[in-house]
Amino acid sequence: DTEVTQTPKHLVMGMTNKKSLKCEQHMGHRAMYWYKQKAKKPPELMFVYSYEKLSINESVPSRFSPECPNSSLLNLHLHALQPEDSALYLCASSQRDRGRDEQFFGPGTRLTVL
Amino acid sequence: LAKTTQPISMDSYEGQEVNITCSHNNIATNDYITWYQQFPSQGPRFIIQGYKTKVTNEVASLFIPADRKSSTLSLPRVSLSDTAVYYCLVLEGAGSYQLTFGKGTKLSVIP
Repeated sequence: DTEVTQTPKHLVMGMTNKKSLKCEQHMGHRAMYWYKQKAKKPPELMFVYSYEKLSINESVPSRFSPECPNSSLLNLHLHALQPEDSALYLCASSQRDRGRDEQFFGPGTRLTVL
Repeated sequence: LAKTTQPISMDSYEGQEVNITCSHNNIATNDYITWYQQFPSQGPRFIIQGYKTKVTNEVASLFIPADRKSSTLSLPRVSLSDTAVYYCLVLEGAGSYQLTFGKGTKLSVIP
């Protein structure tokens, strides 16, 4: 199984809502990532988990809260988002936590904040 | 992190070979060159990775000159389904989790 799955595929939420994005992989990868991608822009790294510990937070606002319950799961909790947070949110995983390696990306969650 | 520069867009006819060149002048000794492909509304997909000279897999070749300040992704006999954005990245071999995506090259394959 070389797949990273993400749910939901689409999410529409109001600025006062609380929602969560879910990511799952069963490749035994030890590193997992969240990226944000705005339309016609490249993906931007948000968070990195290595061995279930948060290792990188790229100055992301606190309204985004990541969680790694176990080595296969990665969540992104959303609260009090702004319309400018509307984007494609991508999850990725890799076998090694650094160096030469291939990241496997999920299909993304298309988030719209009203 | 080494910065990469690549053309914003390219057009090609079906069946032609496409070469996309990427410049990475400040690449470090331990860094690897990596290319990803992305279709609209999908996650990027790893294509190929190399350190020097030439690397080939079932979908592409990667040519890296001796000074490693640039690299060329070669896609043989492209088809309409190869229309996508192609990202060149430099991956720190010494130990970084980060993939820093540049602007990418939008390849349009024309029938």
